[in-house]
Parts: sequence; C-alpha cells; structure tokens
Amino acid sequence: EVQLVESGGGLIQPGGSLRLSCAASGFTVSSNYMSWVRQAPGKGLEWVSVIYSGGSTYYADSVKGRFTISTDNSKNTLYLQMNSLRAEDTAVYYCAREPTDFNAFDIWGQGTMVIVSS
Amino acid sequence: SYELNQPPTVSVSPGQTASITCSGDKLGDKYASWYQQRPGQSPVLVIYQDTKRPSGIPERFSGSNSGNTAALTISGTQAMDEADYYCQAWDSRKVVFGGGTKLTVL
Repeated sequence: EVQLVESGGGLIQPGGSLRLSCAASGFTVSSNYMSWVRQAPGKGLEWVSVIYSGGSTYYADSVKGRFTISTDNSKNTLYLQMNSLRAEDTAVYYCAREPTDFNAFDIWGQGTMVIVSS
Repeated sequence: SYELNQPPTVSVSPGQTASITCSGDKLGDKYASWYQQRPGQSPVLVIYQDTKRPSGIPERFSGSNSGNTAALTISGTQAMDEADYYCQAWDSRKVVFGGGTKLTVL
C-alpha cells in the first residue's frame, strides 16, 4: 500500500528545534518530488518546502534559513529539521508526494501536530 | 509573490451544480490542482493538471483553467461533498495554495 506516515511533532518552546519524519511505503521517496505542507489551527494550507528527485530544495519565505528538508534513501524517509521555532509555526505538518511532472500532490500523510508555546 | 484567490464560501442545494473559482495572474498558463479536505482529515486530490481526475474520484468532479481563472465544478452535488476546497499551482519553483473555499450543501 502506498502511504506516508509522519512523526516527531509535539510541544516545543519558542526558539527550540524539532525534527519531523515522514516514512514512505509502497514507493521510493527519491524518485518523486516530496513536500511539507502545514496548516495552522482553523486556517488554510501553506506550502513549506520541497525536495526534488535530483536533490534540489526550495522553501517558503516564512521558513527559509530556519527549516531544512532532506531525505534518507536507505530508510525511504523524508525529514524536516525545524530550528528557531516561533509561535506562528504552530500547525499540523503534512508530508505529500508529487510524482515527477505531475504538478499536484497525490498522496498525503495523516499529519503531525507541532505546538510552539512557552 | 504569486497569489491565488478563492471565495471563502459557496453554498449549493443537493443535486445542483457547485462551482468554485480560483483566480491568479495568468493562471491559465500554469497547471491548477484542487484538493478536498473534510474536517479532521488530510487533503485529498480531486483534480490535477487542470482537468484530470485521479482514480477513485467521482465523475461529478470536473475542472477547467483559462485566462486568469481556474474552476472546480461539482455536478449533482451530494451531502458528502460538503468540505473545504483548495486550489494549488506552482510558481517559480514554489507551491501556492488558494485560501480555501468552504462548500456548504444546504
């Protein structure tokens, strides 16, 4: 079965760091474009970052310089390292798959909640 | 930065046709996608590359994209279609989502 399972969310103080994981099954992460998308409570979807199958990475302006996206091909897992966390980073974080040149996210994880609060 | 604009709410009666629009500068030159999100659930892709339906999505969902506006049309709307809908496009190697439209089936 093709699926994505996120983990690593939790309560963290402002300024802290957290690493989210997204374990993939049924397909190879490195053969697809993989993104993180977040949703603050009661708000809409906000794209965070993408890693292309070739390894190039891009970020939303709101997280650039603080977040780092990466993959571990041996574990078929996507990561999001989040540093210098702010209250406005509080959200459910989803990982999503975009098959190459598909221009859309066809598989989404169940999401993991990150709460940044003192 | 690129923006996609959606109406916050759309209402439709059961069995009627619902149309949700998404506007952005020269959006017709890009591919538009649409996602359905029910409360407490992850988004689900319902339309990609402007007009294509993923496997398992009912035929009553259709899409179009021309000029500055993309549209999601739901024919014969059912109660189960009540959800939030988001449009999405790529611009300059970044993903942009619309603000979302809450579809109410009255």
